[in-house]
Amino acid sequence: QKEVEQNSGPLSVPEGAIASLNCTYSDRGSQSFFWYRQYSGKSPELIMFIYSNGDKEDGRFTAQLNKASQYVSLLIRDSQPSDSATYLCAVSYSGGYQKVTFGTGTKLQVIP
Amino acid sequence: GAVVSQHPSWVICKSGTSVKIECRSLDFQATTMFWYRQFPKQSLMLMATSNEGSKATYEQGVEKDKFLINHASLTLSTLTVTSAHPEDSSFYICSASSGGQTQPQHFGDGTRLSIL
Repeated sequence: QKEVEQNSGPLSVPEGAIASLNCTYSDRGSQSFFWYRQYSGKSPELIMFIYSNGDKEDGRFTAQLNKASQYVSLLIRDSQPSDSATYLCAVSYSGGYQKVTFGTGTKLQVIP
Repeated sequence: GAVVSQHPSWVICKSGTSVKIECRSLDFQATTMFWYRQFPKQSLMLMATSNEGSKATYEQGVEKDKFLINHASLTLSTLTVTSAHPEDSSFYICSASSGGQTQPQHFGDGTRLSIL
C-alpha cells in the first residue's frame, strides 16, 4: 500500500518565521512530488512540485526532496497569517500511473 | 494558466434526486481528470480516474453505478450522483491533468452537496 505520512499539526509559527512542513512516502519508485495548500472549506491549490533531489525555490517557498530518505519538505519563509492553511503533500504512483497519493495534511497556523 | 472550473458550487436537494457536477479545464487539454470526495476534517479520497474517451477507473469501494463519470472531451468531465441519499452529502472536488506522471493536478473549486 502506498503511503504518504504527514504530521497533522497544528504547526504554530510566529509571523515572519520559517515554517517547515515535512512528508515521508513509502513508494520508492515515486518520481513526482507536489505540495498543495488547502484553506478551510476550499479546494486544494498547487504551490510547488519537485522531481529531482535537492532544493527548488519559488518566491517564499522552497521544496526539498531526498529520494534516498524518501522525504520531501516545504519551507515557507517570512510566514504570513495568510499562509495559515492545511498543506497537503502528494506523491505520484510509480509505474507510469497518473494518480497521486495525498497525505492527510499538516495544519499551519501563523500567529500575528 | 491551468484553470479548472467546476459547477455548481452548492447543491441542496431531496433524497432520491440525481445530481450532475461538471468539471471543465478552461485553458488546457485535460487528458486525465480525477474525482475526489472530502468529508469534514478528513483528507481527500480519490473516487475515480477518467481518461478522455475511456471508461473511468473507480477506486475500491466506490460504486460505479451510483457515481457515473463521463469524460467525453479533453475539456469536460461530469460526475452524476444517482439517487443521492443523505450519506452522499460531501464536498466533491475534481482535478485535471494534461497528462504524464510529472504533470500536476489542478483542482476545481469543488461542489458542496447536501442531500436532505
